Amino acid sequence: DSGVTQTPKHLITATGQRVTLRCSPRSGDLSVYWYQQSLDQGLQFLIQYYNGEERAKGNILERFSAQQFPDLHSELNLSSLELGDSALYFCASSAGGRSLNSPLHFGNGTRLTVT
Amino acid sequence: AQSVTQPDIHITVSEGASLELRCNYSYGATPYLFWYVQSPGQGLQLLLKYFSGDTLVQGIKGFEAEFKRSQSSFNLRKPSVHWSDAAEYFCAVVGPSGGGADGLTFGKGTHLIIQP
Repeated sequence: DSGVTQTPKHLITATGQRVTLRCSPRSGDLSVYWYQQSLDQGLQFLIQYYNGEERAKGNILERFSAQQFPDLHSELNLSSLELGDSALYFCASSAGGRSLNSPLHFGNGTRLTVT
Repeated sequence: AQSVTQPDIHITVSEGASLELRCNYSYGATPYLFWYVQSPGQGLQLLLKYFSGDTLVQGIKGFEAEFKRSQSSFNLRKPSVHWSDAAEYFCAVVGPSGGGADGLTFGKGTHLIIQP
């Protein structure tokens, strides 16, 4: 058990809809990372938050947004969903702000299916 | 831009045999390299990492990896695999950037199958 909790585990929704994925980091971790895993693209870094502020941005679409709240949990919002957004979305947390200094601990992911 | 290539999509190994998973990276300077394992239905778990120093690094579960700058490689090895090693293995790289995106860049993964 990594200590990172992601909800829900599965999500099925229709195209054009909006969903929110939730992540609770390990106790004491200040950084939260979001990754998308799909068969064709593999694991893609989306965005990182550190202690409530956006720290780094990767291949995140404009239709996607995220935030980290004062209690350090994070939410990833996906809107105007398309079939191609179907994927496994992982959250990871780390103690520090740099992934190379603090190991990432991954949650078990949220599987999103867009129909 | 940094990138990681894992040439083998699938590898099948007999239980008790040795294992080597290949990873090649592309990065301008000395990168920071990682190997992660993903068991079915689970998130990723860090096996080992290389930052600097000794080019042979030891990890958890009996795994090791060797950094070879001349070959831009960071191959993962294990002398004797167990059935529980069946999983997806990911190589990843991050640059020691002072600014920009700090997220890891992952390879596409290698699916390891263990034959009894």
